[in-house]
Amino acid sequence: EAQVTQNPRYLITVTGKKLTVTCSQNMNHEYMSWYRQDPGLGLRQIYYSMNVEVTDKGDVPEGYKVSRKEKRNFPLILESPSPNQTSLYFCASSFSRDRHEQFFGPGTRLTVL
Amino acid sequence: AQRVTQPEKLLSVFKGAPVELKCNYSYSGSPELFWYVQYSRQRLQLLLRHISRESIKGFTADLNKGETSFHLKKPFAQEEDSAMYYCALNSGSARQLTFGSGTQLTVLP
Repeated sequence: EAQVTQNPRYLITVTGKKLTVTCSQNMNHEYMSWYRQDPGLGLRQIYYSMNVEVTDKGDVPEGYKVSRKEKRNFPLILESPSPNQTSLYFCASSFSRDRHEQFFGPGTRLTVL
Repeated sequence: AQRVTQPEKLLSVFKGAPVELKCNYSYSGSPELFWYVQYSRQRLQLLLRHISRESIKGFTADLNKGETSFHLKKPFAQEEDSAMYYCALNSGSARQLTFGSGTQLTVLP
């Protein structure tokens, strides 16, 4: 089944403890992206990647890192999480040639205490 | 810079009533507009795109360049339409999509 998977789905952590949220897609998509969803603010892009080893900042990159060593994986790294990073995170992917439809993962709900 | 505005955070209508979810955009070039939907406990998914000029689940949306709007409409709302709806703009940049803040639609029985 073609899909985008994220792990973990739920995570409660404490301030300053490094964490990684994984994202994987099996559709051979070149483009991948991370968003955070907050009430009243909608979806805001954190980072995106046009292809392997090509990443760039979105609207709200502060406090996050990403890497794209393989085409299928695009992990989101929080080196020192803070409470303002408590949010619902979505990974998405698409073919670069078709910029219309992005396929979204199920979301990761992160709470930073 | 591109911007998408959805003025209504919450919208409630009764079953069978018409519904319109508003979306306005700001972009100087030729935009591509989309509506994404997120049903309860499901992932975000594409509902429709303006270039297709299609009707999906009874919803339509017309791009009005003069008013810079892309409102989503349905003549007779159903309870299963209750969801969060996001309007999104693709300006052709590498960043792909800019989303609005979303409208939570509730269709009452």
